[in-house]
Amino acid sequence: DAGVIQSPRHEVTEMGQEVTLRCKPISGHDYLFWYRQTMMRGLELLIYFNNNVPIDDSGMPEDRFSAKMPNASFSTLKIQPSEPRDSAVYFCASSLAGPQTSGSWTDTQYFGPGTRLTVL
Amino acid sequence: QQQVKQSPQSLIVQKGGISIINCAYENTAFDYFPWYQQFPGKGPALLIAIRPDVSEKKEGRFTISFNKSAKQFSLHIMDSQPGDSATYFCAASNDRGGSYIPTFGRGTSLIVHP
Repeated sequence: DAGVIQSPRHEVTEMGQEVTLRCKPISGHDYLFWYRQTMMRGLELLIYFNNNVPIDDSGMPEDRFSAKMPNASFSTLKIQPSEPRDSAVYFCASSLAGPQTSGSWTDTQYFGPGTRLTVL
Repeated sequence: QQQVKQSPQSLIVQKGGISIINCAYENTAFDYFPWYQQFPGKGPALLIAIRPDVSEKKEGRFTISFNKSAKQFSLHIMDSQPGDSATYFCAASNDRGGSYIPTFGRGTSLIVHP
């Protein structure tokens, strides 16, 4: 498997523009996460999906942010309108979390390479 | 509310030295403690993990020490190498309620000088 795929890898846009980040999770994984990483706040969980259904979006900073997962192999994170304070690296991660045949369980997340967003 | 507190924020170590990163948690329901390693320009990746039924887990030069009563766990990197320079995140999670979502610490930036 190619791992989690994110596009674009870099995005530079001007304040007020709409930005769409894309993610293709690892095939078979039933959890998908969107994170934002900044020096000031570290790694922040924005939203996560289970079986394509949004479960917790309490980390989404404001209404300008929205995320969708129309099918098991694709998700988008949209910022409209974008602001300079949205500049960060955005990661998508997927997971096949839950009980294992060994009797234990795991929640290992597999991260994509990230999208570096710069809003001027 | 920060449920997992990680320190230090940054760490500089000489080649061959020992790197130690500490984490403390509040939620006693946590029962799985992974560490993730992130190289510049890459996403974090699982490095090593421990469950609370053991006090220590070692994989090569990386060791997790776990103190359940103190609600603390730490990552030790023995014989640190320049290639270990990365950001390290501790995390904690549990499987109660059918949710498998790790809570991450703020991260530690490690620089190993040659």
